[in-house]
Amino acid sequence: GAVVSQHPSRVICKSGTSVKIECRSLDFQATTMFWYRQFPKQSLMLMATSNEGSKATYEQGVEKDKFLINHASLTLSTLTVTSAHPEDSSFYICSAGPDSPLHFGNGTRLTVT
Amino acid sequence: QKEVEQNSGPLSVPEGAIASLNCTYSDRGSQSFFWYRQYSGKSPELIMFIYSNGDKEDGRFTAQLNKASQYVSLLIRDSQPSDSATYLCAVYINQFYFGTGTSLTVIP
Repeated sequence: GAVVSQHPSRVICKSGTSVKIECRSLDFQATTMFWYRQFPKQSLMLMATSNEGSKATYEQGVEKDKFLINHASLTLSTLTVTSAHPEDSSFYICSAGPDSPLHFGNGTRLTVT
Repeated sequence: QKEVEQNSGPLSVPEGAIASLNCTYSDRGSQSFFWYRQYSGKSPELIMFIYSNGDKEDGRFTAQLNKASQYVSLLIRDSQPSDSATYLCAVYINQFYFGTGTSLTVIP
């Protein structure tokens, strides 16, 4: 089946620094990638949808200048958390589409100290 | 109004029993329905998807869809301790909507 690779799996950074998370589709071309955030004991919250070669569409309440998304190729999308703060600590998960069902990357546990 | 609703649980069943997980959705235009399993600290993994009314079986798992009543359920037969996880229901209506998940514990 479809495989989505996400890297890194875990990152700890200091407040004010930026962190880049990569999401790759390994055996198919993903024209659409989705970025989710999940806080403890809560469900997945869609942050943004990125389409290859165009600007990402952000969900209401998600700061596009803080969460930079680049989808430069059909196999790679990146999420950069800029000037991270402790409240950005969360589990970030990407998934690739557009065909359903969605397959998820393994997630990135971000801890901002 | 939430698009997808699940009972958060926790749901506890003894090993070998049938676990029944339920999900309701609000949009009658929903076309695709998915069940994901998520272990603590891990990302969701797809268990099953169903598009048509009725039952769909895959091993120990059976998904049931009733579009008239707007619910989809997941039955896990012969529950095992390794089935202990959070189960997420998802509905596709132009985008994916996830429920908050039901926590299942299978007691040995």
